[in-house]
Amino acid sequence: DIVMTQSPDSLAVSLGETATINCKSSQSVLYSSNNKNYLAWYQQKPGQPPKSLIYWASTRESGVPDRFSGSGSGTDFTLTISSLQAEDVAVYYCQQYYTTPPTFGQGTKVEVK
Amino acid sequence: QLQLQESGPGLVKPSETLSLTCTVSGGSISSSSYYWVWIRQAPGKGLEWIGNIYYSGATYYTPSLKSRVTISIDTSKNHFSLRLSSVTAADTAVYYCARSLDHDGGWLQFAYWGQGALVTVSS
Repeated sequence: DIVMTQSPDSLAVSLGETATINCKSSQSVLYSSNNKNYLAWYQQKPGQPPKSLIYWASTRESGVPDRFSGSGSGTDFTLTISSLQAEDVAVYYCQQYYTTPPTFGQGTKVEVK
Repeated sequence: QLQLQESGPGLVKPSETLSLTCTVSGGSISSSSYYWVWIRQAPGKGLEWIGNIYYSGATYYTPSLKSRVTISIDTSKNHFSLRLSSVTAADTAVYYCARSLDHDGGWLQFAYWGQGALVTVSS
């Protein structure tokens, strides 16, 4: 299985500041034939299901604010939340869908400082 | 707008079979464009993929649960179901149904999720 490792496990950011979450896969999730990274990011607020934010490493889902951005390629990826809002408090997960079984990172908890 | 809703018993005894159904509204489960998915999350833990099913009935399961899992689809009722046999306390979790991004490269990415159903395994 591909192991997904996120860092940090938690972070506290002041409102309006930038939160940066890293995700590293144990093997590349870049498919050479189409040059796509099979990497997604999800947001899970307390008591709610996860919500898809970003797929193909950097494509935002419809309706997701543009303060959320994804970057990276191969084995190293980043989710950036610029100008953090109170409603962004959540746990964020990365997930590879390059191969079965699809696997998730352990999650990063984002709080307001 | 697509909606998915899980239903089923919230309490299952050890060694028995967990059964859940996901009813889809706002879209057809017979579409060839997507896969339908079960994922679970143990209390306070991370996310674990259980398996996918296509409208044709083709299934794909996570190896660790493959011997105990059955996912089925009923296109006439626009729902799909999960059965997990010989459950133990370790199977206590919130079970989510979901839809994939597409049927091709994104068949293992989860674009839409149900609200989830907590299933507790206890005598």
